[in-house]
Amino acid sequence: DAGVIQSPRHEVTEMGQEVTLRCKPISGHNSLFWYRQTMMRGLELLIYFNNNVPIDDSGMPEDRFSAKMPNASFSTLKIQPSEPRDSAVYFCASSFGQSNSPLHFGNGTRLTVT
Amino acid sequence: GQQVMQIPQYQHVQEGEDFTTYCNSSTTLSNIQWYKQRPGGHPVFLIQLVKSGEVKKQKRLTFQFGEAKKNSSLHITATQTTDVGTYFCAGNWNNNDMRFGAGTRLTVKP
Repeated sequence: DAGVIQSPRHEVTEMGQEVTLRCKPISGHNSLFWYRQTMMRGLELLIYFNNNVPIDDSGMPEDRFSAKMPNASFSTLKIQPSEPRDSAVYFCASSFGQSNSPLHFGNGTRLTVT
Repeated sequence: GQQVMQIPQYQHVQEGEDFTTYCNSSTTLSNIQWYKQRPGGHPVFLIQLVKSGEVKKQKRLTFQFGEAKKNSSLHITATQTTDVGTYFCAGNWNNNDMRFGAGTRLTVKP
């Protein structure tokens, strides 16, 4: 099992640029979650999908953030335009089944916006 | 919205001492999960508690779920340097998302 795969591992970009983070969940998992982690705010749930459908996006900070899951094996989180306060580690996690299933996290993408 | 409060934020112990972190929800939880994140790593699932008053053990780690299913604790007996990291609880309230506590960062002095 390859686990949850995220790319890139690190991203450095200038303010105003578009950033796209990618995630491949574990095969067979039907729920996918995007989290953001910062020292100040901890682990924040941004959005989660169930069977490729966005269920709760109330954690998405603002319209600059968007997420898609075109199929069961791929999801993207896009920030356009990026701002320095978006700097954080972004984790993707997947799980199988209902709400009592363990989350399997990817290694994260460390985003730095200058 | 629903959230879990976790304390303490930091804990520094001497190797061999015990460690406990606590999580609390103002409303009844469906279940609670615990995760460990090593420095520079990603959260890794440790255990899930579902039943009222449940107690589970993993070697030196003891996990408890309160009778009212509103609080939980993780206790480590005789800490070791390998226990270093941040421990998170994550609560679920009958929906499909997990809300994480702020985490307790444990450092262990050899």
